[in-house]
Amino acid sequence: GDSVTQMEGPVTLSEEAFLTINCTYTATGYPSLFWYVQYPGEGLQLLLKATKADDKGSNKGFEATYRKETTSFHLEKGSVQVSDSAVYFCALIEGGSEKLVFGKGTKLTVNP
Amino acid sequence: DTGVSQDPRHKITKRGQNVTFRCDPISEHNRLYWYRQTLGQGPEFLTYFQNEAQLEKSRLLSDRFSAERPKGSFSTLEIQRTEQGDSAMYLCASSSGGGYTQYFGPGTRLTVL
Repeated sequence: GDSVTQMEGPVTLSEEAFLTINCTYTATGYPSLFWYVQYPGEGLQLLLKATKADDKGSNKGFEATYRKETTSFHLEKGSVQVSDSAVYFCALIEGGSEKLVFGKGTKLTVNP
Repeated sequence: DTGVSQDPRHKITKRGQNVTFRCDPISEHNRLYWYRQTLGQGPEFLTYFQNEAQLEKSRLLSDRFSAERPKGSFSTLEIQRTEQGDSAMYLCASSSGGGYTQYFGPGTRLTVL
């Protein structure tokens, strides 16, 4: 079945450091890909998405590119802030499905 | 747009008791989803509704679980004869159609003693 694998956390960075969180997926078709973020004490929020190969999703300085050849959707940010501390989830939806399939999440802590 | 709301936010119950959670989706959304999230894991799909019709159920949804969306607006998720393994965060999401973004509520945290 479909699955999403994220890099193990937790990840701890200093403010203004570069962030990469790796995400790879397994799917039978051509899924849409998502990054959701969960801030402490809050619900899941969509951070960005991409619906086809080579699409780049971006939001709040975060970016991820849909790479079909490597089945990857790595999340990057050039300069993290303390306010980016959260848990980040990579997810997919197969075409024709309504079911989001999530990775296990990666906890990011940014220190001042 | 007030977002997806869930009630209660926290529920503590004893093993064997029944519990019911409520989800109010974003008002114009016709899709409503339930997920379960255990500690250290990503959310797992349980079931979804299009209007009042329940169109898909995960095998995770045992016979003790039942979900309804009687008028195509709010939804309830009931767990009968709760077990300690049911302790989790229960998340509700809604969307305006297939392929559209799912917006999540804050969740209901269930603790079964």
